[in-house]
Amino acid sequence: DTGVSQDPRHKITKRGQNVTFRCDPISEHNRLYWYRQTLGQGPEFLTYFQNEAQLEKSRLLSDRFSAERPKGSFSTLEIQRTEQGDSAMYLCASSLYGGKNYGYTFGSGTRLTVV
Amino acid sequence: EDQVTQSPEALRLQEGESSSLNCSYTVSGLRGLFWYRQDPGKGPEFLFTLYSAGEEKEKERLKATLTKKESFLHITAPKPEDSATYLCAVYGGGADGLTFGKGTHLIIQP
Repeated sequence: DTGVSQDPRHKITKRGQNVTFRCDPISEHNRLYWYRQTLGQGPEFLTYFQNEAQLEKSRLLSDRFSAERPKGSFSTLEIQRTEQGDSAMYLCASSLYGGKNYGYTFGSGTRLTVV
Repeated sequence: EDQVTQSPEALRLQEGESSSLNCSYTVSGLRGLFWYRQDPGKGPEFLFTLYSAGEEKEKERLKATLTKKESFLHITAPKPEDSATYLCAVYGGGADGLTFGKGTHLIIQP
């Protein structure tokens, strides 16, 4: 297993367009998280899944954001009608819930620039 | 609401000059405190998890300690390759996501 994979690494889009990011977690991990990170800030929690169920969404996740994890494997994060304030690094992480170590493994992120 | 404050925001050291990074936190029911390293343009890389006051963990030149209100990341005789942003995060009883601090940007000059 090569860790958490995210695609694409970089995305430049025009304001108002829709974008979709993909995350492939570590195969034996049952939890998958999405975070957003802006320059000079720590990652901010957006949402997470346990298997295919979306269990929590942050108030940061506006109606323009939607996440899915069909069949409990990979996940997608879609942003509709992008705004310049959506420019950030979108990080995906996975973990094995139920073990003592709650630590996450992060992917390398997708850098979104809205112009 | 869980909160994490890291200090200093930035730290510049000479190679071999030991120092400590601070992470102060408030959380309802700490389930874990985490340290991550983040290089520019990359995702955070897991370093340590601490669960209870008095716990310590070491990895190469890094040592993490935990009290009931703060954690320290001690770096001994650092090398230029230790330059990175070090992030602290807590996992509390109030939410299922980690709450991160803003990080300490560490620069080790040769």
